[in-house]
Amino acid sequence: QVQLQESGPGLVKPSGTLSLTCAVSGGSISTTNWWNWVRQPPGKGLEWIGEIYNDGSTNYNPSLKSRVTISVDKSKNQFSLNLRSVTAADTAVYYCARDSDWNPYYMDVWGKGTTVTVSS
Amino acid sequence: EIVLTQSPATLSLSPGERATLSCRASQSVSSYLAWYQQEPGQAPRLLIYDASNRAPGIPARFSGSGSGTDFTLTISSLEPEDFAVYYCQERTNWPLYTFGQGTKLESK
Repeated sequence: QVQLQESGPGLVKPSGTLSLTCAVSGGSISTTNWWNWVRQPPGKGLEWIGEIYNDGSTNYNPSLKSRVTISVDKSKNQFSLNLRSVTAADTAVYYCARDSDWNPYYMDVWGKGTTVTVSS
Repeated sequence: EIVLTQSPATLSLSPGERATLSCRASQSVSSYLAWYQQEPGQAPRLLIYDASNRAPGIPARFSGSGSGTDFTLTISSLEPEDFAVYYCQERTNWPLYTFGQGTKLESK
């Protein structure tokens, strides 16, 4: 059974770059699934950031597109998120998630999430 | 851009009662709608996809209905572990995933 695990710094300075990695275990990242990043500010709802396919193809939320890069490392079976020029508004729990096997409209496997605080 | 509006914002019920949660889309999403459950401090969990199909391992007390712009998640008899926040989600405006603002189901 596929499992996802986020990792990265829990504290990032304003104007810096937030960098997170999602490790995929129990299966290969080189499947027909797309791999996503989703975030949730404290006490608020869910916001989709973007996704990547194992060939490096990406889709991003237009609201974040200018600041986001998602990349994949098939040799390490993981994918990563870079979010540039962060502000306090980027403070959130960041989740990685997989598009479902049966329909790419939904996400069926999620990591536990990692909290990132933007503060000096 | 499609907007999903969930109601009520908070629903207070007791274990054993029936819960009915609503999600309304600003334009038709056909049947391409999902429901997720998020317990405190946990990641979201996919409950229902394509408006009415239960995801693998989801108990039969959870059911979904609707199409077009109006959707309902029903929990037939609430268990203690069902008190959580529920989100609806759609993706017809490819590739953007859109979520509703959530309904908090709390124990009375």
